Amino acid sequence: DVKVTQSSRYLVKRTGEKVFLECVQDMDHENMFWYRQDPGLGLRLIYFSYDVKMKEKGDIPEGYSVSREKKERFSLILESASTNQTSMYLCASSFVIGGAREDTQYFGPGTRLTVL
Amino acid sequence: GDSVTQMEGPVTLSEEAFLTINCTYTATGYPSLFWYVQYPGEGLQLLLKATKADDKGSNKGFEATYRKETTSFHLEKGSVQVSDSAVYFCALHGSSNTGKLIFGQGTTLQVKP
Repeated sequence: DVKVTQSSRYLVKRTGEKVFLECVQDMDHENMFWYRQDPGLGLRLIYFSYDVKMKEKGDIPEGYSVSREKKERFSLILESASTNQTSMYLCASSFVIGGAREDTQYFGPGTRLTVL
Repeated sequence: GDSVTQMEGPVTLSEEAFLTINCTYTATGYPSLFWYVQYPGEGLQLLLKATKADDKGSNKGFEATYRKETTSFHLEKGSVQVSDSAVYFCALHGSSNTGKLIFGQGTTLQVKP
């Protein structure tokens, strides 16, 4: 089974702090994604990565950055946390078959971040 | 751009009732369609998928049929259980090779004994 793990289930930070959310997958997937989930808004894509050291902006990248130094690990960084970044953050991964990016994504358990 | 619209929740049903959660989409070409489920305190799990028109995805008693003529992918289950209480997300993967999913806003289902 594919396993996607996230470093924390719950996190409480203060406004202005730098926050790191870590995601690790164990299936050698090429593609990794960061979403935030808010009630009534569904999942919104923050950033994604197709390979090591590659990153692309999603729909709501403002206030976030990412890092992918190793294939299995994709980090989301909040440079200066703000209260409107209080949310559930979900990481996902998927693989490539024959050059085609597989459409099924596998999700981690999520990190519920509260910024005070 | 591509988009997914789900019926608003919450949906509250008694055990053994019939479930329908509506999902419609807008996309160019021939997207793949998905239903994901999120149980309390957990991440999303793939429930079922369909990759072309008239395909029916099924899993755990849930079914959804890809209807291109009505651009819909409604989720159904004949007899729900308390353990089906969760948030259900409809999603699509567009025909371009991005690997990105577009999600609906989610529908909360609560099943009462």
